[in-house]
Amino acid sequence: GQQVMQIPQYQHVQEGEDFTTYCNSSTTLSNIQWYKQRPGGHPVFLIQLVKSGEVKKQKRLTFQFGEAKKNSSLHITATQTTDVGTYFCAGKDFGNEKLTFGTGTRLTIIP
Amino acid sequence: DTEVTQTPKHLVMGMTNKKSLKCEQHMGHRAMYWYKQKAKKPPELMFVYSYEKLSINESVPSRFSPECPNSSLLNLHLHALQPEDSALYLCASSQAREGPYEQYFGPGTRLTVT
Repeated sequence: GQQVMQIPQYQHVQEGEDFTTYCNSSTTLSNIQWYKQRPGGHPVFLIQLVKSGEVKKQKRLTFQFGEAKKNSSLHITATQTTDVGTYFCAGKDFGNEKLTFGTGTRLTIIP
Repeated sequence: DTEVTQTPKHLVMGMTNKKSLKCEQHMGHRAMYWYKQKAKKPPELMFVYSYEKLSINESVPSRFSPECPNSSLLNLHLHALQPEDSALYLCASSQAREGPYEQYFGPGTRLTVT
């Protein structure tokens, strides 16, 4: 079945440093979504990418979808304490429209 | 209103108990989902309802029984659970199952099986 891996598993950064998480799918995706889950919270939708090579920005966050639609990345510039949480990519298969979550990257910020 | 509500927030049950988790959304979404999430792991899909019909069952044991009484409500009936079923149970909804639609998650029910 479809597998979606993320690296790194954990990232500790100094406040103000940049952060990047990478997402790789074993299959070609129809679209990819990104979610953030704060400690003790639930996943909250951030953004969706649909087109090959698409790049979207949300303030300090930049999201990319690979040309082959099998990988994606999330880059945060100048992290803040409010960025703490686990970032999940989630990919939709062409075949069954099921959303499969990646393994997640847990971000902690050192003030 | 972009909220998905879930009750109860916390639930402790014995292995012989029967209990139900409830989920509600009023966004007019036609797809609703149950996920199970263990600590430090991603959400795992359990069931998908589309237009009130079960469309995906991810080989979930029969001690979990979903029900969709109407387009706004989703229940998960629990019976004879095992301690390893302890987890956060998340409900989500989206505009439709097919297509590029984001999912809105409820706050979850934290279940402990003793």
